[in-house]
Amino acid sequence: GAGVSQSPSNKVTEKGKDVELRCDPISGHTALYWYRQSLGQGLEFLIYFQGNSAPDKSGLPSDRFSAERTGGSVSTLTIQRTQQEDSAVYLCASSYRTGGPETQYFGPGTRLLVL
Amino acid sequence: AQSVAQPEDQVNVAEGNPLTVKCTYSVSGNPYLFWYVQYPNRGLQFLLKYITGDNLVKGSYGFEAEFNKSQTSFHLKKPSALVSDSALYFCAVRDTGSARQLTFGSGTQLTVLP
Repeated sequence: GAGVSQSPSNKVTEKGKDVELRCDPISGHTALYWYRQSLGQGLEFLIYFQGNSAPDKSGLPSDRFSAERTGGSVSTLTIQRTQQEDSAVYLCASSYRTGGPETQYFGPGTRLLVL
Repeated sequence: AQSVAQPEDQVNVAEGNPLTVKCTYSVSGNPYLFWYVQYPNRGLQFLLKYITGDNLVKGSYGFEAEFNKSQTSFHLKKPSALVSDSALYFCAVRDTGSARQLTFGSGTQLTVLP
């Protein structure tokens, strides 16, 4: 079946611009996660959504970062007023649900470069 | 709090030899443990996970991992390495308590030499 898809695969933007990154999870998965992979910080958790519950935003690094999930499916991560330190690969993952040992399946990522 | 340590940034092994990639963890409760592999310019691929029960977990592509509670370790192993196993390997942990997100180690670059 189809896996997690993300778009765009690559994004180059200028400092100060806003960007939107999209994630389409595996059909039927109720949990969706965003992680960031950067050279200096490794893989770090950003935010997760579980069904209709309020998202856990505890990993968002600043108020320039926000995310939404429409209709319990597709998610968009928005970075406002991008900075050079935002350059990283943004990975999305989904799982059947949270609360147990469900496996998170990852998309290919969006590579963001802020000039 | 939950954390993972992968003490080796780089592991080199000859093709056909056994390989081990080390991982130790820290959680306040009981752990769920995972191994993922990442090939260049790709996302993370799931290899295997430990939930409970048998300490030896078998996964994809001939990989296995051994859970050791007393040493808080979850080392990844394969009896005979292939050149195609060369990739970046990540260990991850989730506390069975309140945490929902995975905490990842810093990754270990495995190079299998022909």
